[in-house]
Amino acid sequence: ETGVTQTPRHLVMGMTNKKSLKCEQHLGHNAMYWYKQSAKKPLELMFVYSLEERVENNSVPSRFSPECPNSSHLFLHLHTLQPEDSALYLCASSAYIKRKSTDTQYFGPGTRLTVL
Amino acid sequence: ELKVEQNPLFLSMQEGKNYTIYCNYSTTSDRLYWYRQDPGKSLESLFVLLSNGAVKQEGRLMASLDTKARLSTLHITAAVHDLSATYFCAVYNGSSNTGKLIFGQGTTLQVKP
Repeated sequence: ETGVTQTPRHLVMGMTNKKSLKCEQHLGHNAMYWYKQSAKKPLELMFVYSLEERVENNSVPSRFSPECPNSSHLFLHLHTLQPEDSALYLCASSAYIKRKSTDTQYFGPGTRLTVL
Repeated sequence: ELKVEQNPLFLSMQEGKNYTIYCNYSTTSDRLYWYRQDPGKSLESLFVLLSNGAVKQEGRLMASLDTKARLSTLHITAAVHDLSATYFCAVYNGSSNTGKLIFGQGTTLQVKP
């Protein structure tokens, strides 16, 4: 596989469930990102990982918990979500040089999440 | 705080016509990106503009950057149905610790036969 892949592509969960989103990049990048895309709103950056270290957390509620075990994989663990968390969750990757993301971000296909 | 605004947010046009999408941003930046998103799909990188006066063209799309005016344009020439999509500009915020991108709201383009 090439590029950035995400699984699952669609997820429906109840508010008491625990689930995880997975992202994998095959581009040799060393930075990975989670974004949230809600209807009629700009993309919102949630988390940034560089070299497996979390370098940005944009005031995201604790019911979202990221994990980056290596530079190719990124997870987003979900628990006790709210209906307003329903959105498209996009993963992206890029090069990361001198403590800043300097290269084009390449996006995965996204996970469409519905919270009932 | 860096803010990015696109206009129009929705554009319906006939095939063969020309039009321009505008992207304004509020603070200095030296890098701007244009992305395309088809319904239900991810974002595809179109252009990266790195300096004042930069112009890039790919097929019927041409992007330009004026850093003094804090304005980028995406010009569509002789539109075809295949260009129907949502277009996002994203501005690089170099003042943040991580150099993150701030996205505009997106412009949904609908090209009618």
